[in-house]
Amino acid sequence: QSVLTQSPSVSGAPGQRVTISCTGSSSNIGAGYGVHWYQQLPGTAPKLLIYSFTNRPSGVPDRFSGSKSGTSASLAITGLQAEDEADYYCQSYDSSLNGWVFGGGTKVTVL
Amino acid sequence: QVHLVESGGGVVQPGRSLRLSCAASGFNFSTYPMHWVRQAPGKGLEWVAIISYDATNYHYADSVKGRFTISRDNSKNTLYLQMNSLTIEDTALYYCARNDPSDFWGQGALVTVSS
Repeated sequence: QSVLTQSPSVSGAPGQRVTISCTGSSSNIGAGYGVHWYQQLPGTAPKLLIYSFTNRPSGVPDRFSGSKSGTSASLAITGLQAEDEADYYCQSYDSSLNGWVFGGGTKVTVL
Repeated sequence: QVHLVESGGGVVQPGRSLRLSCAASGFNFSTYPMHWVRQAPGKGLEWVAIISYDATNYHYADSVKGRFTISRDNSKNTLYLQMNSLTIEDTALYYCARNDPSDFWGQGALVTVSS
């Protein structure tokens, strides 16, 4: 059971918009700790996609965007492409655990 | 160009020890905090430990506290993870990752704990 809760899977047709949610609590997201998103393509290491809720590192397409609402964060992918098929993880810091935590991951399938 | 290369993985019996290394290049290693993150086969990411840039602060996941030790040698641009009292549940691909949030990751070192 992950401290940050993500839906296991989401799917969409090419060109569509999909969103992935990451639900936390008052000891992580609700306490103001930032949420970061990672993309893990099959057989590869994770890649930083979004940091501190809404910021994109250099080189990440603007099709990827992040947001925050209360104790949750979301990742949106607009104009879905076949190359976006991957696992996506949210990450934050948890003050109760005194450590960093990941969500369970969401598998994005492009139909 | 940033490079992180893990080494030291392998097959080990339950209860034994193993030390992972992460060789860093292409950046000023001594100015960045570093993480270890693991991923069991077919499972999600699990944060393991973090060490500050100067090795004065470190934190561990509860699942490894008291068994694993994170350390670094800034003169050798190398991060370490000493893993003792290994259990089957420690079987995973172990990644080292730079910074918080982690902007660069190695390719991982596979640790298999099996009798």
